[in-house]
Amino acid sequence: GENVEQHPSTLSVQEGDSAVIKCTYSDSASNYFPWYKQELGKRPQLIIDIRSNVGEKKDQRIAVTLNKTAKHFSLHITETQPEDSAVYFCAASMNTGRRALTFGSGTRLQVQP
Amino acid sequence: GAVVSQHPSWVICKSGTSVKIECRSLDFQATTMFWYRQFPKQSLMLMATSNEGSKATYEQGVEKDKFLINHASLTLSTLTVTSAHPEDSSFYICSLGLAKNIQYFGAGTRLSVL
Repeated sequence: GENVEQHPSTLSVQEGDSAVIKCTYSDSASNYFPWYKQELGKRPQLIIDIRSNVGEKKDQRIAVTLNKTAKHFSLHITETQPEDSAVYFCAASMNTGRRALTFGSGTRLQVQP
Repeated sequence: GAVVSQHPSWVICKSGTSVKIECRSLDFQATTMFWYRQFPKQSLMLMATSNEGSKATYEQGVEKDKFLINHASLTLSTLTVTSAHPEDSSFYICSLGLAKNIQYFGAGTRLSVL
């Protein structure tokens, strides 16, 4: 089955700096890669996703890049704000039918004011 | 508004009792529901895939007789933790699976077994 590894486990940045979180996956059949933000005790919220037919996607301060050859994808958050502080999870799935997600281990992002 | 309604949000029970968690799809036909479990400071791990009108498919290591899933309608899937023990204390989250991998998560249920 799919295995998703995520780094770093914790990340502390100053407000206004950029944050980068990286994930690798093992199953070359995976072609859907979402990123979720989870605040303590709450449901994961989809913040951005990318499918294998594109290499990069951007939504305001958030961007995701995908390298299918190397089987890795990254989340980039620019101009970080204290409200970006949360746990971020990457995930992978096959884009056929209704498939469960395999999640990375999570990154706790702390944005220092 | 919420696409998936999950209840209860928090439950405390004594060891040995059973707890039922409900997930209702409010806007879509819930042909497929996923049940995840999240231990403190850990990731979401898939427990089972629930398909309407058929038996759930459980992930390796998840006891199907302990975690009973019922998905008899297109709007409701339930997870019953039978004979709960302290090690079952966790955050349980359902997710509605739609085409193209779109998933809507429930708000989660925090289970504390004393």
